[in-house]
Amino acid sequence: GDSVTQTEGLVTLTEGLPVMLNCTYQTIYSNPFLFWYVHYLNESPRLLLKSSTDNKRTEHQGFHATLHKSSSSFHLQKSSAQLSDSALYYCALSSGTGGYKVVFGSGTRLLVSP
Amino acid sequence: DAGVTQTPRHEVAEKGQTIILKCEPVSGHNDLFWYRQTKIQGLELLSYFRSKSLMEDGGAFKDRFKAEMLNSSFSTLKIQPTEPKDSAVYLCASSPGGSSYEQYFGPGTRLTVL
Repeated sequence: GDSVTQTEGLVTLTEGLPVMLNCTYQTIYSNPFLFWYVHYLNESPRLLLKSSTDNKRTEHQGFHATLHKSSSSFHLQKSSAQLSDSALYYCALSSGTGGYKVVFGSGTRLLVSP
Repeated sequence: DAGVTQTPRHEVAEKGQTIILKCEPVSGHNDLFWYRQTKIQGLELLSYFRSKSLMEDGGAFKDRFKAEMLNSSFSTLKIQPTEPKDSAVYLCASSPGGSSYEQYFGPGTRLTVL
């Protein structure tokens, strides 16, 4: 079945440094939807980015990601980390064939310090 | 519009008890999901409803977990009997369907089983 791999459970950064959270996926379907969700403490998880277009950069709130079907990747990046970026980030995949079911990765906790 | 609501926000149960968690999706959303959130596994799908019909009942969770959706605006998740390993945050999410695969999450219920 479909799967999503986030290799880092925890990423710690100093404010101002670039952010890169890794995400790779597996699916047999050729047109998947990829997502990044962010979960801030004491809030509900919410969608940060989504894409289904190969090699096209998508941006939101200073974060960006590019879906690369050739490498089955959808890494999340930001040029300069802020303290307020500290949160739990989930990469997720929908193959578009199981209704609106989405498969989530195990999550990466980002901690940004001064 | 109101977002996804979940009650209770916190639940403490003794081992062997039956507990029922409640969820109200965003009005008009056709798809509803129950997830368990843990640090190790991330977001695990428990159940998926589309237009009140059960689409998926997460394999490993079938034994003691039962989700129901008696009408389009209300769903319950029953855990019977509870075990200490069930301690986690339980999240409910809904999706409008159509061309959007975005999921809207509730605030979650934190369950502690003693």
